[in-house]
Amino acid sequence: DAKTTQPPSMDCAEGRAANLPCNHSTISGNEYVYWYRQIHSQGPQYIIHGLKNNETNEMASLIITEDRKSSTLILPHATLRDTAVYYCIAPLISSGSARQLTFGSGTQLTVLP
Amino acid sequence: GAVVSQHPSWVICKSGTSVKIECRSLDFQATTMFWYRQFPKQSLMLMATSNEGSKATYEQGVEKDKFLINHASLTLSTLTVTSAHPEDSSFYICSADQETQYFGPGTRLLVL
Repeated sequence: DAKTTQPPSMDCAEGRAANLPCNHSTISGNEYVYWYRQIHSQGPQYIIHGLKNNETNEMASLIITEDRKSSTLILPHATLRDTAVYYCIAPLISSGSARQLTFGSGTQLTVLP
Repeated sequence: GAVVSQHPSWVICKSGTSVKIECRSLDFQATTMFWYRQFPKQSLMLMATSNEGSKATYEQGVEKDKFLINHASLTLSTLTVTSAHPEDSSFYICSADQETQYFGPGTRLLVL
């Protein structure tokens, strides 16, 4: 896996966009960037993933820089229920194998009322 | 989306007993499932990779004879904690792979 670096914590006002950065300067050409989140005492929840193009789904948007050395997860309108630890992971894809995920410390996002 | 369930959601047992945790992919088949462990205020640690019809692959430091994994079908993997001790108390989480990993809700184990 490529090493990823995230800030340990961030606050965001309810209703505002939450922008969570991730640095993955050693990422290689075939490594995707995955984002998961873990709400307290629950299993991680898949959010989004991408290779080099920006991606958007019903939960979030993923912006990947052109050099792929960093990315930003955007929650467009944060709610109190988005308070969680957010993990940015870049697993090495082995042909024919399921991708193993290595969880770092993540970013504790706290959405404030 | 893909749904993964775990049973039980929590269990309390006496030291020395064995505990079985089930992980099921409800709406898809998964050749590969993963088992993680998470201690309080720590991140998830991968314990083992479970492949349907073959032996599990354990991470370094995880005792294969203590944490028995069986992946008998494409929708079910089980983790048995044998002769559990208080230090095995933890949050056990499984995931199933379908182009990406989908996680179960976790099982909280407390060994007295």
